[in-house]
Amino acid sequence: NAGVTQTPKFQVLKTGQSMTLQCAQDMNHNSMYWYRQDPGMGLRLIYYSASEGTTDKGEVPNGYNVSRLNKREFSLRLESAAPSQTSVYFCAGNPGGGNSPLHFGNGTRLTVT
Amino acid sequence: GENVEQHPSTLSVQEGDSAVIKCTYSDSASNYFPWYKQELGKGPQLIIDIRSNVGEKKDQRIAVTLNKTAKHFSLHITETQPEDSAVYFCAASRNAGKSTFGDGTTLTVKP
Repeated sequence: NAGVTQTPKFQVLKTGQSMTLQCAQDMNHNSMYWYRQDPGMGLRLIYYSASEGTTDKGEVPNGYNVSRLNKREFSLRLESAAPSQTSVYFCAGNPGGGNSPLHFGNGTRLTVT
Repeated sequence: GENVEQHPSTLSVQEGDSAVIKCTYSDSASNYFPWYKQELGKGPQLIIDIRSNVGEKKDQRIAVTLNKTAKHFSLHITETQPEDSAVYFCAASRNAGKSTFGDGTTLTVKP
């Protein structure tokens, strides 16, 4: 039981390049989320998927797109990376529908030069 | 939307002392308040949570208190140990999946 798995762990991009961050969970969570973490700014919600087949914008969605491929997988895509997207990205899941804690992956550290 | 403020941003204590981290929130409709611990290179992990129908909750050396009238909640760690050193985040939500997080507190426990 791996929980929430993110790949890759590290990535360096040049400005303008694109990439997809992958996230998979084996906890049968209905809801999945992408957060970014910047120094001194806590965790900010980029996009979330309340259930398979649905996605919604969070607090900071500009420059990102997401795909809820199936119940297990939720990917985050940067179409044209910018230095402002240098951050640590966390995927999380929870059962949804009610107050339950988030289960986080171990993050992807992305640097855009 | 919800706004969560967390203090202090850094906290250093001697091993065996207590540590207290405080958070305030703005949305009176928020009803779920988790605390997460993040160790270096890892994702945040839930350590304790409290719901709005409860004023206090305790789990061994960790306790959380909630004052809904004043819209603040606090994390208390007693008998701190070096392994308690980490970054701690509070959060508030109406629905746990759309949590708003505080900016984090870096706790250092000196042996």
